Amino acid sequence: AQSVTQLGSHVSVSEGALVLLRCNYSSSVPPYLFWYVQYPNQGLQLLLKYTTGATLVKGINGFEAEFKKSETSFHLTKPSAHMSDAAEYFCAVSKNTGGFKTIFGAGTRLFVKA
Amino acid sequence: GAGVSQSPRYKVTKRGQDVTLRCDPISSHATLYWYQQALGQGPEFLTYFNYEAQPDKSGLPSDRFSAERPEGSISTLTIQRTEQRDSAMYRCASSLTTQQNEKLFFGSGTQLSVL
Repeated sequence: AQSVTQLGSHVSVSEGALVLLRCNYSSSVPPYLFWYVQYPNQGLQLLLKYTTGATLVKGINGFEAEFKKSETSFHLTKPSAHMSDAAEYFCAVSKNTGGFKTIFGAGTRLFVKA
Repeated sequence: GAGVSQSPRYKVTKRGQDVTLRCDPISSHATLYWYQQALGQGPEFLTYFNYEAQPDKSGLPSDRFSAERPEGSISTLTIQRTEQRDSAMYRCASSLTTQQNEKLFFGSGTQLSVL
């Protein structure tokens, strides 16, 4: 079975500070992993994804995530937070059910303080 | 269309009524997904279509929930005899194919409130 755990339903950082949003997955096979962002009153948008190859993945808006198989983690980071980064972030894993469906974590809401 | 479109944006209904939600995916996309998102939670998978075929209905909570995509394009999600616990955001997403690494494109969702 595959599932996703996001540690911390809320994270607050100051503008300019490091952003770290944690995600751990459980998977019986090498997973495909995703981070999506949801701004208020909008649909989810893909930030980045890991499929195969390089374990450090760069996404949009300066975000990146590192796949660590030994830790079953896929944490999302950004060196310097902007006010515009305030949103809800979802980690997700792709599951093979004879087609593929994406399983989402519960989400982490990021607050950015001026 | 240019993006995934869902209608209505908001739906308020009384317990026991039937509701139908609509999703118009990106026109070139073969695959369409329905998710249910409760307040403070991540999207929960309901079902998906590959064109008009519906290979996986495992996430539908009960037989009151059904979905169709008769011509492989627009899809509807119908909830019969609605209950208060059905109140949630219902999200539709589409992708080009059913490949495991495919990006999902989401609509803005339909917020359903059952009174």
